[in-house]
Amino acid sequence: DVKVTQSSRYLVKRTGEKVFLECVQDMDHENMFWYRQDPGLGLRLIYFSYDVKMKEKGDIPEGYSVSREKKERFSLILESASTNQTSMYLCASSWALEKDEKLFFGSGTQLSVL
Amino acid sequence: QQPVQSPQAVILREGEDAVINCSSSKALYSVHWYRQKHGEAPVFLMILLKGGEQKGHEKISASFNEKKQQSSLYLTASQLSYSGTYFCGTEASGTYKYIFGTGTRLKVLA
Repeated sequence: DVKVTQSSRYLVKRTGEKVFLECVQDMDHENMFWYRQDPGLGLRLIYFSYDVKMKEKGDIPEGYSVSREKKERFSLILESASTNQTSMYLCASSWALEKDEKLFFGSGTQLSVL
Repeated sequence: QQPVQSPQAVILREGEDAVINCSSSKALYSVHWYRQKHGEAPVFLMILLKGGEQKGHEKISASFNEKKQQSSLYLTASQLSYSGTYFCGTEASGTYKYIFGTGTRLKVLA
């Protein structure tokens, strides 16, 4: 079975801290994604990557950056955490989207910024 | 740009039917549907391709009208296990950018 692992289930940080959210997939997927989930807003795309060292902005990239140094790992970075970044963060991965491949999700990280 | 789903939330009794709609302002190449149970990761249900092809899963089926840029999910004879949040998802063709709808919370009561 495909496994997408997010390093933390719950995380509490202070305003202004630099925060790293890690995601690892074990199926050699080309594509990896970071979403945030907020009530009433669904899943919103922050950043995605279709290859190692490649990254593209999603719909809400402000305040975030990403890193993909290895194919299996995709990190989301909050340079200076703010309270409005309190949210559930979901990582996902897939094979080639042009072949209509589905996404596999991690269990999510609930981040609270105080 | 995010697809809009309706209704936002629905409560059903076991055995009742429901329809969840997904509308996009941009052309859809294909539509995926996912279900997320409380506290869990979203799980893929089915894919709908151009041509209006319907694909089913248990008593859940869906349709896709690319001209209207809409997809609908049909839940027949709901079971308690159908409770969760449903999302439609789609890729902006050729961009690798995969986005989801606003979500529909479904609660099935005994």
